[in-house]
Amino acid sequence: EAGVVQSPRYKIIEKKQPVAFWCNPISGHNTLYWYLQNLGQGPELLIRYENEEAVDDSQLPKDRFSAERLKGVDSTLKIQPAELGDSAVYLCASSPPLNTGELFFGEGSRLTVL
Amino acid sequence: KQEVTQIPAALSVPEGENLVLNCSFTDSAIYNLQWFRQDPGKGLTSLLLIQSSQREQTSGRLNASLDKSSGRSTLYIAASQPGDSATYLCAVGPQEYGNKLVFGAGTILRVKS
Repeated sequence: EAGVVQSPRYKIIEKKQPVAFWCNPISGHNTLYWYLQNLGQGPELLIRYENEEAVDDSQLPKDRFSAERLKGVDSTLKIQPAELGDSAVYLCASSPPLNTGELFFGEGSRLTVL
Repeated sequence: KQEVTQIPAALSVPEGENLVLNCSFTDSAIYNLQWFRQDPGKGLTSLLLIQSSQREQTSGRLNASLDKSSGRSTLYIAASQPGDSATYLCAVGPQEYGNKLVFGAGTILRVKS
């Protein structure tokens, strides 16, 4: 069974440019998460989707960040415009329709803003 | 607000040594606690998941314990190997929704051959 797939793995952009990250969750997983991981820190939740609905986006900086999960499968996280402080790893995770705490993570998208 | 702390921040041990990683959390009203492993440049791999009603979980050379009342968990690694070198992250899921994990900053483990 394929795991959570993310792309691109690495992205280098100049500040003020836009960037987008894509995530394909494990088949059958209705819950999808975007986490932000700064260097030397644990991941922090940005947004959680149940199917196509964003049920928890309280930590998403809505002035420059946006996300969507059309049709309740793939998801895209966008930053526009990017700032130097956005340099981090953006992790996508998914979980099956049971509240067990079992999350499956992708390998992440590493963003460098110059 | 739940806060998760991991001690030590980094650990270097010779191969074959038994070791303990510590995790503490401020709010004992948790649904579960999970230990993850993260290799450099990679995502997170779940190692052990302990539900709030459980005291410990074991997988191979790994044993994780949970003392919810004191807000502590430990990950015990027996007979460490160089392949165990990675960052180990502890995460807790709150009672209202166990999947909304709050992570610690991790312990960087290096096992020397």
